[in-house]
Amino acid sequence: QQQVKQSPQSLIVQKGGIPIINCAYENTAFDYFPWYQQFPGKGPALLIAIRPDVSEKKEGRFTISFNKSAKQFSLHIMDSQPGDSATYFCAARGTSYDKVIFGPGTSLSVIP
Amino acid sequence: EAGVTQFPSHSVIEKGQTVTLRCDPISGHDNLYWYRRVMGKEIKFLLHFVKESKQDESGMPNNRFLAERTGGTYSTLKVQPAELEDSGVYFCASRQRGPDGYTFGSGTRLTVV
Repeated sequence: QQQVKQSPQSLIVQKGGIPIINCAYENTAFDYFPWYQQFPGKGPALLIAIRPDVSEKKEGRFTISFNKSAKQFSLHIMDSQPGDSATYFCAARGTSYDKVIFGPGTSLSVIP
Repeated sequence: EAGVTQFPSHSVIEKGQTVTLRCDPISGHDNLYWYRRVMGKEIKFLLHFVKESKQDESGMPNNRFLAERTGGTYSTLKVQPAELEDSGVYFCASRQRGPDGYTFGSGTRLTVV
């Protein structure tokens, strides 16, 4: 059973475009929603995270939008660059347990 | 600050053999986690150590997997005997006390042939 769903599986955009990755969760006990960025041969690295008491968080070119009632959240990358090409994982975690539940990942390619 | 170190980075073994993966967490991090990504699917939790104690091992797939954390420092994950379905990338992560600050290692890519 997949507790965190993620789409699309892969995404190709041109430089300057705004890729959007969507995620959904089911467990209302989750209270922390991180996004991880992974480059080939490296481990996932925390990119940005949000808690459900806010609807949006922005850090540089990366923005999370959060809809608590719909149990959905998404990542937007403004002015995407070829260096943003990576696999992106949305994830969720609850306070009663701190293991991270990952989505299946989105492979993003930004072409010049 | 040195990051989380895992080795080997790659391992190719035959079905039925034994493999031991090692993780050196960031110094001072009490919490150590093992995760696995199989065949491009989601990264799945295996287990969580707090110092040398197993806090949660609910993700361990079966008794062919044995994890240890000697003296609350480095950790090993042994697979014995390895099966084809064990192939994947095994990640280790560590965290200080507190809710945030997971740091992942680069992973060990295990291929069982």
